[in-house]
Amino acid sequence: AQSVTQLDSHVSVSEGTPVLLRCNYSSSYSPSLFWYVQHPNKGLQLLLKYTSAATLVKGINGFEAEFKKSETSFHLTKPSAHMSDAAEYFCVVNDYKLSFGAGTTVTVRA
Amino acid sequence: GAVVSQHPSWVICKSGTSVKIECRSLDFQATTMFWYRQFPKQSLMLMATSNEGSKATYEQGVEKDKFLINHASLTLSTLTVTSAHPEDSSFYICSATSGQGFSYNSPLHFGNGTRLTVT
Repeated sequence: AQSVTQLDSHVSVSEGTPVLLRCNYSSSYSPSLFWYVQHPNKGLQLLLKYTSAATLVKGINGFEAEFKKSETSFHLTKPSAHMSDAAEYFCVVNDYKLSFGAGTTVTVRA
Repeated sequence: GAVVSQHPSWVICKSGTSVKIECRSLDFQATTMFWYRQFPKQSLMLMATSNEGSKATYEQGVEKDKFLINHASLTLSTLTVTSAHPEDSSFYICSATSGQGFSYNSPLHFGNGTRLTVT
């Protein structure tokens, strides 16, 4: 069985400050993990993916995520938030069946 | 690369009519496509998995006769909402994966979604 838990339903940050979105997973296997971003009324765009190579994964738009097997976590970070980062973020686990987290809404204050 | 085009982006229809949504992979062959439904402020709910040339596999609780899926070619899958009712109003998103079937490492490429409103 697998599941994905995004620990924060809403994160609010000031522009220029760091962003942390937390994701924990459970899986019977060693899954691959993804982060996607969704802007209003749009589909999902891939930010980055972990597929058993380097544990620190760099993605687009300055985002990165670290896979920690001992903590079963795959948290997403960005050193400096931009107004355009305001969106919904989904953590996705794939161990031959996809599981989506519930999503984290990010708001960025000017 | 790996662009998925979904059309229309929004549609309003009357109760009792049918609506067809198209999902196309523009620059790759998509052996497997997925259809999701998303309610406001919620995550994506997988409705069905469609493989080119075969019948779609529906998730539990999804009415196959109401949500008809056709994947007639490697670049096109369609979702038809038959006899639509107001409760079918939602945001529908398709996604596709390249390669043979759905593999462990392959990310999904998503369409931009279709906002369906049934009046």
